[in-house]
Amino acid sequence: GAVVSQHPSWVICKSGTSVKIECRSLDFQATTMFWYRQFPKQSLMLMATSNEGSKATYEQGVEKDKFLINHASLTLSTLTVTSAHPEDSSFYICSALDRPYSNQPQHFGDGTRLSIL
Amino acid sequence: KQEVTQIPAALSVPEGENLVLNCSFTDSAIYNLQWFRQDPGKGLTSLLLIQSSQREQTSGRLNASLDKSSGRSTLYIAASQPGDSATYLCAVGAQKLVFGQGTRLTINP
Repeated sequence: GAVVSQHPSWVICKSGTSVKIECRSLDFQATTMFWYRQFPKQSLMLMATSNEGSKATYEQGVEKDKFLINHASLTLSTLTVTSAHPEDSSFYICSALDRPYSNQPQHFGDGTRLSIL
Repeated sequence: KQEVTQIPAALSVPEGENLVLNCSFTDSAIYNLQWFRQDPGKGLTSLLLIQSSQREQTSGRLNASLDKSSGRSTLYIAASQPGDSATYLCAVGAQKLVFGQGTRLTINP
């Protein structure tokens, strides 16, 4: 089955550091990838939609300059949390679609736990 | 704006019982409804996807139903096992998924 790999799985860093998270589709080409954030004991909230070769679309309330998304190829999207602060600590999960509006489920990565000290 | 609610928030049952998890959504104009499983600290595993034109889907001991008119879906788990312990999430949408808060299920041996 389709596999989405997310790296790193866990990162701890100091406040003010920028952190890059990678999301790769290993055995399919993903025209669209999604980035979600999950706070403890809460559900997933969509942050942005990443389309290959074009600018990402951000959900209301998500700072574009804070969360930089790049989708340079059909198998890789990256999320960079710039100048991270403790309130950015969360679980970040990506998902990928191989075809828009298909009746196939999205494929999710295993998530990245980000802890900002 | 679509809102998804899951009840109960937590459920603990003895091994072997059949159980039902509930999901409700406010806007019946959905494309798909999906049920996912999330283990602690992990990503999501897709369990079942029900298209808007379908009423139910089955996979092994799992059966999911969809009633768009009432804005409800249920996930039925038969003969529960300790390995079924996890958080179960439902989500609606085609591309941008709107998730419920999840039901944290514990199956006691």
